[in-house]
Amino acid sequence: GAGVSQSPSNKVTEKGKDVELRCDPISGHTALYWYRQSLGQGLEFLIYFQGNSAPDKSGLPSDRFSAERTGGSVSTLTIQRTQQEDSAVYLCASSQDRGLFNEQFFGPGTRLTVL
Amino acid sequence: DAKTTQPNSMESNEEEPVHLPCNHSTISGTDYIHWYRQLPSQGPEYVIHGLTSNVNNRMASLAIAEDRKSSTLILHRATLRDAAVYYCILRDPFDGGATNKLIFGTGTLLAVQP
Repeated sequence: GAGVSQSPSNKVTEKGKDVELRCDPISGHTALYWYRQSLGQGLEFLIYFQGNSAPDKSGLPSDRFSAERTGGSVSTLTIQRTQQEDSAVYLCASSQDRGLFNEQFFGPGTRLTVL
Repeated sequence: DAKTTQPNSMESNEEEPVHLPCNHSTISGTDYIHWYRQLPSQGPEYVIHGLTSNVNNRMASLAIAEDRKSSTLILHRATLRDAAVYYCILRDPFDGGATNKLIFGTGTLLAVQP
């Protein structure tokens, strides 16, 4: 079956521009997570959705970062006024619900480069 | 969150067993031990998890020390495809936020030689 998909796979942007990253979770998965992976920080949690609501936004690094999820499915991570330190691979994961025993399935990521 | 400590890197030969250690001396009684791995240029993937007893699945085995302060992921016959970064992660089902987000450490980079 289809796994988690993300688009675009690569995004190059200029400092100060806004970017949108998309995640299509596995059908039926109610929990959705965004992480990012950068050379300096490793893999870090950004935000968690249960359905369309985001009860945990504790990992968003600044108010330039926001995310939404519609219809309990697709999610979009938006970064406004991008900075060079935003360069990273942004990973999306989904699971059947937030239960401990439900493994998270990760997408291939979007590699963001801010020039 | 309780912290885990893993070696930065390990090497193995193809078709030999690999034992990847993880120390978690501050583990709480309700923490489960999870392992994920990340193949090159891919997102992480689940490998195995356990609480107290040793666990086996089609990918690997997990051996947990009696005091639970350490565990070992065992790949019985390493293949070239097993070359990846392996992450040992503690997850508490009773944490206040209960989001079950994954807290990744630096992991162990496993190199498999043909």
